[in-house]
Amino acid sequence: KAGVTQTPRYLIKTRGQQVTLSCSPISGHRSVSWYQQTPGQGLQFLFEYFSETQRNKGNFPGRFSGRQFSNSRSEMNVSTLELGDSALYLCASSNPGLATPGADTQYFGPGTRLTVL
Amino acid sequence: SQQGEEDPQALSIQEGENATMNCSYKTSINNLQWYRQNSGRGLVHLILIRSNEREKHSGRLRVTLDTSKKSSSLLITASRAADTASYFCATDGAGSYQLTFGKGTKLSVIP
Repeated sequence: KAGVTQTPRYLIKTRGQQVTLSCSPISGHRSVSWYQQTPGQGLQFLFEYFSETQRNKGNFPGRFSGRQFSNSRSEMNVSTLELGDSALYLCASSNPGLATPGADTQYFGPGTRLTVL
Repeated sequence: SQQGEEDPQALSIQEGENATMNCSYKTSINNLQWYRQNSGRGLVHLILIRSNEREKHSGRLRVTLDTSKKSSSLLITASRAADTASYFCATDGAGSYQLTFGKGTKLSVIP
């Protein structure tokens, strides 16, 4: 099976602009999660989608939003970019069992490195 | 805030030695997972241990979980230069599908 793919891999934007990142999960996986990774804050959870519904949201401002399509592909959007949004954005997919509580094994994509100037 | 805290922050060992990393967390969990990340790339899942399990093995990896102390350890035996990477523990909360990561242990294995 093909792994998780993320596009684009690198992106340079300026403050105030908006950006959309895309994630294609492993075929058959219904859950997609997004994380932000920075040297200072480490890996931080943004949100998780399952069957087009957002089940969990991290502690990020409303400028960060996401969605999941019927084919499980997901996008995240960041509006009014700030310098502090420069980070590696990681997407992960999983196929949690309905009878299994909690977060299941996550399969990560290579990430999108966003630089805000 | 980070749920898991890894210790040590950095570890340097010779090839062939064992490496032990520890993780502590604050709230009750369903599962605890360990991931590896090579410099600036995506994370690779290593092992998942459920809250009702105490020990799990996978190849050269051994993970223990002590829910009474809210801690876990990852042991890599007979380390190789290719094991050089950052290692993260990740926990979920009761009723949550959200993974919370620690800041990681940077492991350097010297050939």
